[in-house]
Amino acid sequence: DTGVSQNPRHKITKRGQNVTFRCDPISEHNRLYWYRQTLGQGPEFLTYFQNEAQLEKSRLLSDRFSAERPKGSFSTLEIQRTEQGDSAMYLCASSLGGFFDSPLHFGNGTRLTVT
Amino acid sequence: QQPVQSPQAVILREGEDAVINCSSSKALYSVHWYRQKHGEAPVFLMILLKGGEQKGHEKISASFNEKKQQSSLYLTASQLSYSGTYFCGTVTGTASKLTFGTGTRLQVTL
Repeated sequence: DTGVSQNPRHKITKRGQNVTFRCDPISEHNRLYWYRQTLGQGPEFLTYFQNEAQLEKSRLLSDRFSAERPKGSFSTLEIQRTEQGDSAMYLCASSLGGFFDSPLHFGNGTRLTVT
Repeated sequence: QQPVQSPQAVILREGEDAVINCSSSKALYSVHWYRQKHGEAPVFLMILLKGGEQKGHEKISASFNEKKQQSSLYLTASQLSYSGTYFCGTVTGTASKLTFGTGTRLQVTL
């Protein structure tokens, strides 16, 4: 168990640019989640995958956000035309089962700053 | 809907006890508890399942009151390492996602 890995750890970008983050989950985990966290707040759900299928996407996620999980392995989260309000920590997590009874294992996150 | 945690913050001396509460406006299927230290990822502590089963941490306990739609996390004989922000996460249906609470910041001092 090497843990959930996220890259990059930090990303500074100018407003209007596109950014892409990568998440490598724990290898045997079939579920992968993306959450966003701003200072002083709890993680906020964005989307999740079961294997390669994207099963739910938050209504908070605008059309500028897209996530993929090709072949059910790593995942990418892309934000197009970034805005200052996108500045946050983007957390990826994985689990072996569903939300009901399976712990989420989080990565260390990618901190995005939009200037 | 986001669960509400109380208190928002608490300061303890090492060895003291603390209780953190998590309340939901919806019926709960399960409750997760996580601890997050500054600049780090949330770390799983415990899951409490509808029906009473509890999975998790050996030194920290929790309760789950399904009727009141509440859970409480009990930290006994606190250690410096307990410092951090504690989040509950609630699952309100079989197809529901995990929704995190507002967080409780805990600081343990000497």
